[in-house]
Amino acid sequence: IAGITQAPTSQILAAGRRMTLRCTQDMRHNAMYWYRQDLGLGLRLIHYSNTAGTTGKGEVPDGYSVSRANTDDFPLTLASAVPSQTSVYFCASSRTGEDTQYFGPGTRLTVL
Amino acid sequence: GQNIDQPTEMTATEGAIVQINCTYQTSGFNGLFWYQQHAGEAPTFLSYNVLDGLEEKGRFSSFLSRSKGYSYLLLKELQMKDSASYLCAVRDGDYKLSFGAGTTVTVRA
Repeated sequence: IAGITQAPTSQILAAGRRMTLRCTQDMRHNAMYWYRQDLGLGLRLIHYSNTAGTTGKGEVPDGYSVSRANTDDFPLTLASAVPSQTSVYFCASSRTGEDTQYFGPGTRLTVL
Repeated sequence: GQNIDQPTEMTATEGAIVQINCTYQTSGFNGLFWYQQHAGEAPTFLSYNVLDGLEEKGRFSSFLSRSKGYSYLLLKELQMKDSASYLCAVRDGDYKLSFGAGTTVTVRA
């Protein structure tokens, strides 16, 4: 079934630990995005990639890094997790940077 | 940056109509999106407006006025399954989406 998958579904993490959230899409979309969603704040863009091999910073990039080695995968890494990174993380993709974005199921991350 | 405002909560009766307003101030404009998000699930695309006017898609319609920085999502013949959050998102001059905090709609029998 075509779409976007994210892993893990949820995770509890100790502060200071490194964590990589995985995102894979099989729609051959060129553009991919990472958002975090916090109560009362809505979705905020962390990083994006318009095509494989390129990445860019969104509204809240500090403490996060991404890579885009191929079209399908767009992992998000927290180098040293802090409690303020407790959130629900959504990956999204679009055919190009100018098309409608479609979202993955999300990863619920708790940093203690 | 973007400033996107929408009401926090709305309640309506099954079979009724509800209108969710969204006002925005942006640096550049390349379209306005509405997404539906059920609790614990991913946002799903509902509608897209880039020109002024009304776009109708079944029970859902979306309106845009670029000069007023205003949009609304109209939900007709409400059903219980329409209970969800509705997210207004504006695409800026760099084609990046900024989201409002969302409007939680509760449909009551």
